[in-house]
Amino acid sequence: GDSVTQKEGLVTLTEGLPVMLNCTYQTIYSNAFLFWYVHYLNESPRLLLKSSTDNKRTEHQGFHATLHKSSSSFHLQKSSAQLSDSALYYCALRHNTNTGKLTFGDGTVLTVKP
Amino acid sequence: EAAVTQSPRNKVAVTGGKVTLSCNQTNNHNNMYWYRQDTGHGLRLIHYSYGAGSTEKGDIPDGYKASRPSQENFSLILELATPSQTSVYFCASGETGSSYEQYFGPGTRLTVL
Repeated sequence: GDSVTQKEGLVTLTEGLPVMLNCTYQTIYSNAFLFWYVHYLNESPRLLLKSSTDNKRTEHQGFHATLHKSSSSFHLQKSSAQLSDSALYYCALRHNTNTGKLTFGDGTVLTVKP
Repeated sequence: EAAVTQSPRNKVAVTGGKVTLSCNQTNNHNNMYWYRQDTGHGLRLIHYSYGAGSTEKGDIPDGYKASRPSQENFSLILELATPSQTSVYFCASGETGSSYEQYFGPGTRLTVL
């Protein structure tokens, strides 16, 4: 079945340094739709960005990601980390059905320190 | 703005007791989902629904039931709660379509003693 791997469980960075959170996926379907959700403490998880277009960069709120179907990857990046970026980040893969079901990775906790 | 609410926000239950977690959405979305969130496991799908009257098993349905009496409401029921069901539970709603974005509620923290 579908699966999503986020190899880093915890990432700690100093403010101002670049962010890269890894996400790889497995699916038998060619029309993969990938998402990044962000979960700030005491808030609800919410969509950060999404893509289904191969090799096209998508951006939102300073973050960007490019879906690479050749390598089954959708890494989340930001050029300069801010303290307010500290949160739990989930990568998710949409199932190839009209149920809207998502398969989530285990999540990466990003902690940005001064 | 999407609006998904959950009640209660916190719950302490005893082993063997019945627990009902409620979710309400005002987005008029057809699809609704129940997840649990545990450290190291991410968000795991318990049950989901396509619309009023329908419920489907997700990836980890054992020990849980679901009920969708209306478009707006989706409940998660633990008939015989166990300590292993101690977790944070999230409800989400979503529309079918090109993106299938899901909108999450604030979560319910359940502790089973």
